[in-house]
Amino acid sequence: GQQVMQIPQYQHVQEGEDFTTYCNSSTTLSNIQWYKQRPGGHPVFLIQLVKSGEVKKQKRLTFQFGEAKKNSSLHITATQTTDVGTYFCAGAPGDYKLSFGAGTTVTVRA
Amino acid sequence: DAMVIQNPRYQVTQFGKPVTLSCSQTLNHNVMYWYQQKSSQAPKLLFHYYDKDFNNEADTPDNFQSRRPNTSFCFLDIRSPGLGDAAMYLCATSRVRVTDTQYFGPGTRLTVL
Repeated sequence: GQQVMQIPQYQHVQEGEDFTTYCNSSTTLSNIQWYKQRPGGHPVFLIQLVKSGEVKKQKRLTFQFGEAKKNSSLHITATQTTDVGTYFCAGAPGDYKLSFGAGTTVTVRA
Repeated sequence: DAMVIQNPRYQVTQFGKPVTLSCSQTLNHNVMYWYQQKSSQAPKLLFHYYDKDFNNEADTPDNFQSRRPNTSFCFLDIRSPGLGDAAMYLCATSRVRVTDTQYFGPGTRLTVL
C-alpha cells in the first residue's frame, strides 16, 4: 500500500499567491524526490533531498526535508500560470523503491 | 533528445485482444519500471527490472506481463485487456538503484473498446 501521504489533493490558487504542499511518511526515508506532471504530460523530476533538515530552492520553489526525514514540503511563492500541474512527492524508505504520494493538483486563477 | 521513448503514444485495442507496449532508453540505466496511471491518480507501479531481475508488485494482475530482452528495451504485454485497463502506461528508468531519480517516458495512452 501507499506509504507516503500527500496533502492537499487539490490546491486552487490565485495568481501571485503562495501555497504549500506537504508530504508525510510513517517511516524514515533515505531520500525524498519531487516530480511535476503538467496536464497531459508525464512526471518530470524536480529535485531530490537527502539530508535531515535540508532546504533547496529552485527560483520560486522551496523544498524542505524534515529533521526526522519523515516529511517534506514544497512551497511556491508568487504562483504563476506556468505552475499549473500535479506535484508528486516520492519517498524511499531505506533501500526500498520509491513510493509516490497521491499528488497535489494545482490550478491557478488569473 | 528523447531519452526514454515509448511507442506507440496512443494505442486502441479491443476487449480481450492482446496488446504490447514498448519502451526504449538511451540512458543505459540499470532499472526500468512500468507504471499504470489513471485519470487524477498517482502512477501505480506494476513491476520493475533491476538489470535482468524481474520484480512484480504484489497487486499487479496476472494479465500484465513484461519482458526486458536487453538493457535498452522493455515491453509491457497485456494478455487480455479489460475495460478497466484503459489508462496511461508510463515507462521510467533510473540509473543504478531503485532509489535513484526516475526518468519517465511520455507514456502510451491505451483505449480498450
